[in-house]
Amino acid sequence: DTEVTQTPKHLVMGMTNKKSLKCEQHMGHRAMYWYKQKAKKPPELMFVYSYEKLSINESVPSRFSPECPNSSLLNLHLHALQPEDSALYLCASTPNSGTDVEQFFGPGTRLTVL
Amino acid sequence: GENVGLHLPTLSVQEGDNSIINCAYSNSASDYFIWYKQESGKGPQFIIDIRSNMDKRQGQRVTVLLNKTVKHLSLQIAATQPGDSAVYFCAENRGIKAAGNKLTFGGGTRVLVKP
Repeated sequence: DTEVTQTPKHLVMGMTNKKSLKCEQHMGHRAMYWYKQKAKKPPELMFVYSYEKLSINESVPSRFSPECPNSSLLNLHLHALQPEDSALYLCASTPNSGTDVEQFFGPGTRLTVL
Repeated sequence: GENVGLHLPTLSVQEGDNSIINCAYSNSASDYFIWYKQESGKGPQFIIDIRSNMDKRQGQRVTVLLNKTVKHLSLQIAATQPGDSAVYFCAENRGIKAAGNKLTFGGGTRVLVKP
């Protein structure tokens, strides 16, 4: 298995909802990443998990809460989001932390906040 | 702060011709520069990288050039094909030992291949 999978593909939520995005990889990678990509813009790094521990938080608002239950799974819990949080959320992984350049990206979850 | 950006937002190229996509960066402590391709509805896909102490690297149909004097990065695609139509991002990578890689992406160039 050489891919990163993300579910759901699309998500529509209200500002009072709580939802979660899921990312999974079975390549044995030990670093996993969350990015946010607005339309016609480049991806922006949000969080990095290294060996299942949060290692980088790019000053992301607390309404986004990441979680890494095990080395294959990465979740992003969403609560009280704003319409401006609507974007494509991308997950990525690398074999090791800080030493592997190529990041493997999933297809993303397209989130719409009403 | 550090910035990675592109000169041209859209590039139209005839099928079979060579494509050149440019990228400028202003300041960097990065160890690698990378090109990613993003097709519609998909996540970015790694194309090629170049270490900061190199000036040229070749892959299959692609060549990346790094000019540190003028802080310029380019991607050359030989014999462009319809499947090359996508948005191309340059990115700088800073590997932080035991913490992961910090990728900072440039603004993106859309490449349209005309038949």
